[in-house]
Amino acid sequence: EPEVTQTPSHQVTQMGQEVILRCVPISNHLYFYWYRQILGQKVEFLVSFYNNEISEKSEIFDDQFSVERPDGSNFTLKIRSTKLEDSAMYFCASSVQVIMNTEAFFGQGTRLTVV
Amino acid sequence: SQQGEEDPQALSIQEGENATMNCSYKTSINNLQWYRQNSGRGLVHLILIRSNEREKHSGRLRVTLDTSKKSSSLLITASRAADTASYFCATVDSNYQLIWGAGTKLIIKP
Repeated sequence: EPEVTQTPSHQVTQMGQEVILRCVPISNHLYFYWYRQILGQKVEFLVSFYNNEISEKSEIFDDQFSVERPDGSNFTLKIRSTKLEDSAMYFCASSVQVIMNTEAFFGQGTRLTVV
Repeated sequence: SQQGEEDPQALSIQEGENATMNCSYKTSINNLQWYRQNSGRGLVHLILIRSNEREKHSGRLRVTLDTSKKSSSLLITASRAADTASYFCATVDSNYQLIWGAGTKLIIKP
């Protein structure tokens, strides 16, 4: 069964360093998302991406964040200068249609720890 | 923005019993989705119910939606130890974002 894959599963980084979280969405999906979940808190929307551009982003997704689809398969989230409060589980998701019409499929997540 | 809120926050039942979790939301929706998350793991989509549907089944799962009360329930029948997980409802807002509730932590005791 096709699935969304994320790498790495766990990343530890020094505060101020740049990190890139990688995702391979399901191949025939057209809509891509990043969400995050701070430990013990709700899942929060970060950004959605369609047709090679950001379609929506939340207040969390400030200038420190960027997304890219560098080739036909990868979808990356970059945090330019990590802060302690960026420590969270980051989930990538994809859907074949716009989320209003269908479910999203999530990866297993990348646990980011900023020290 | 709208917000799904599940109750109870935690539920502990014996294996074989039925588990019911509820979700309430604030604004009109296009669809409501239920997801499961095993401890520290990814989110697994369980079921999607559209605003014009009242009930949906998938295996041992039964979801209801009452748009007049802005609420949904997830029933897991004949629970198993493997059902131990957190369960989240998520609604889709007008900006096409999934808005998540805080989840119900379900523990199935053997």
